[in-house]
Amino acid sequence: AQSVTQLGSHVSVSEGALVLLRCNYSSSVPPYLFWYVQYPNQGLQLLLKYTTGATLVKGINGFEAEFKKSETSFHLTKPSAHMSDAAEYFCAVSDQRPLVFGKGTRLSVIA
Amino acid sequence: SQTIHQWPATLVQPVGSPLSLECTVEGTSNPNLYWYRQAAGRGLQLLFYSVGIGQISSEVPQNLSASRPQDRQFILSSKKLLLSDSGFYLCAWSVIGGETQYFGPGTRLLVL
Repeated sequence: AQSVTQLGSHVSVSEGALVLLRCNYSSSVPPYLFWYVQYPNQGLQLLLKYTTGATLVKGINGFEAEFKKSETSFHLTKPSAHMSDAAEYFCAVSDQRPLVFGKGTRLSVIA
Repeated sequence: SQTIHQWPATLVQPVGSPLSLECTVEGTSNPNLYWYRQAAGRGLQLLFYSVGIGQISSEVPQNLSASRPQDRQFILSSKKLLLSDSGFYLCAWSVIGGETQYFGPGTRLLVL
């Protein structure tokens, strides 16, 4: 069965610092991987996704993620955090079933 | 372009009362539809998904039910709400055979 583990329920970074949100997955078949962002009291917005092909995926708002099969990881990064990046981030995996989500990581950005 | 609507946006209901949340999708046909519940600190829990009219798969047995009376309409219901039903309910859609899900704005439900 597919599953997702997001390391760290809460991450704080200073404005301008590197953002790194960690995601590890398990899947019995080559997975599709996703990152979503959720602002308070809103639905989830797709940041980026990996299906096949290039393992470094670029998304919206300057975020990117790299699929590493050997590490079963799909970590999300952004070189320089902005105050507007403060939100909750969810990693998700799909292997021909409905998406399975991690528990989320709340990102705080400190001025 | 496709849009997804949910209503109401917020709802306060007493324990034991019925529930009906509605989700509609515009701009696409034959979507897969999903209901999720988000409780504080617990991520997203898939409740139901549907691949067509009248076809509902339940992921978690509980006092909630779902129906799909029309192609682009998905309804979440309960006959008697429990305190534990409080949460943020999200509807999502995807194209048939597609994995990417697109989410609605959500409904905040508070059961008192």
